[in-house]
Amino acid sequence: DTAVSQTPKYLVTQMGNDKSIKCEQNLGHDTMYWYKQDSKKFLKIMFSYNNKELIINETVPNRFSPKSPDKAHLNLHINSLELGDSAVYFCASRRQGAYNEQFFGPGTRLTVL
Amino acid sequence: DQQVKQNSPSLSVQEGRISILNCDYTNSMFDYFLWYKKYPAEGPTFLISISSIKDKNEDGRFTVFLNKSAKHLSLHIVPSQPGDSAVYFCAVRSTNFGNEKLTFGTGTRLTIIP
Repeated sequence: DTAVSQTPKYLVTQMGNDKSIKCEQNLGHDTMYWYKQDSKKFLKIMFSYNNKELIINETVPNRFSPKSPDKAHLNLHINSLELGDSAVYFCASRRQGAYNEQFFGPGTRLTVL
Repeated sequence: DQQVKQNSPSLSVQEGRISILNCDYTNSMFDYFLWYKKYPAEGPTFLISISSIKDKNEDGRFTVFLNKSAKHLSLHIVPSQPGDSAVYFCAVRSTNFGNEKLTFGTGTRLTIIP
């Protein structure tokens, strides 16, 4: 029974297209995150949502727009895709509390041609 | 500006021996430190953590040590097993108005040699 799931697992698309990645968690967690792992393997936070509210936005270009329709879902929509957007995107979730860890999804590998 | 550094991109250890993975950080305000393990084509999975008020935390074969004066974190795995072969990321937590943010190192690929 998957805790944090992402779709699709792989996404290949042309420059300039618009695409979405979906994330769902069935853990009942309050906070969800999007991370980007680039070609140098840096895993960097992009956004954080708590109870559907945006709480962290790490100066990500506004071509990236997260949407949280409910606590269990955090989707990532990307407009006008660029070559530099190619990366693995990970969704994560966490229960509120001082020492609770984040649970990660399996990742979505985005390739922009 | 890398706030978290894992200076060894890779490490090979004989099965049964001790694996030691290292991590250095720059900001003394970080209050919680975690290790994640990642297999290929999977997301990182939580392994072990330590708060800034402790200097050691042990969980089975895994022990995390924190040296606050040196801003250094290490993960010891003993005895090492083939299933431990993976990429290990250290992560440090900063908190702003109750909102948590994790900053990750670049990872160390551990290979356990049977």
